[in-house]
Amino acid sequence: ETGVTQSPTHLIKTRGQQVTLRCSSQSGHNTVSWYQQALGQGPQFIFQYYREEENGRGNFPPRFSGLQFPNYSSELNVNALELDDSALYLCASSGRDRSNEQFFGPGTRLTVL
Amino acid sequence: QKEVEQDPGPLSVPEGAIVSLNCTYSNSAFQYFMWYRQYSRKGPELLMYTYSSGNKEDGRFTAQVDKSSKYISLFIRDSQPSDSATYLCATSGAGSYQLTFGKGTKLSVIP
Repeated sequence: ETGVTQSPTHLIKTRGQQVTLRCSSQSGHNTVSWYQQALGQGPQFIFQYYREEENGRGNFPPRFSGLQFPNYSSELNVNALELDDSALYLCASSGRDRSNEQFFGPGTRLTVL
Repeated sequence: QKEVEQDPGPLSVPEGAIVSLNCTYSNSAFQYFMWYRQYSRKGPELLMYTYSSGNKEDGRFTAQVDKSSKYISLFIRDSQPSDSATYLCATSGAGSYQLTFGKGTKLSVIP
């Protein structure tokens, strides 16, 4: 069974730039959720994708957007990067019948300078 | 008031001790409760997934939920140095996909 994978591992960007983060879900899972984890904090829900549609969204501005592909992999896009966007971005996958039983990937650490 | 409160610690215990980690929550709609373990610079690992009140045991780990007091606990028996990590509690409502996390408690088990 293949777990959740994310790429890249680390990323450094400057303020105002755009970034794309990628996630492959665990085999057998069709739902992907994205979270932002600032240093010393718990993860904060950004949004979830199911059947290539956004299925729910947390308190994040529209410059955070995503995609899900037919193979259930997903992308998180962040436009107009701000310094406060520096964080660990986590992807989690789950099956539709238990969408809150989520398994996380290793994360992408984004630094915005 | 944050929806899920968790003492960030740090908590330091000797090897072999029983560890008690706790969270409180404010939203009575929460029905699912999870504990995750997160090693430094890694993603969270699901340890326990429980529904409603009661206890659930898995090896050295026991999760306890008291919905009447909105209190959730994780007990670790015979703690090992490899248990040193940050422990995150998380909750969600029925039919909800959004997990709400505590800040995490950093645990160190000293050999």
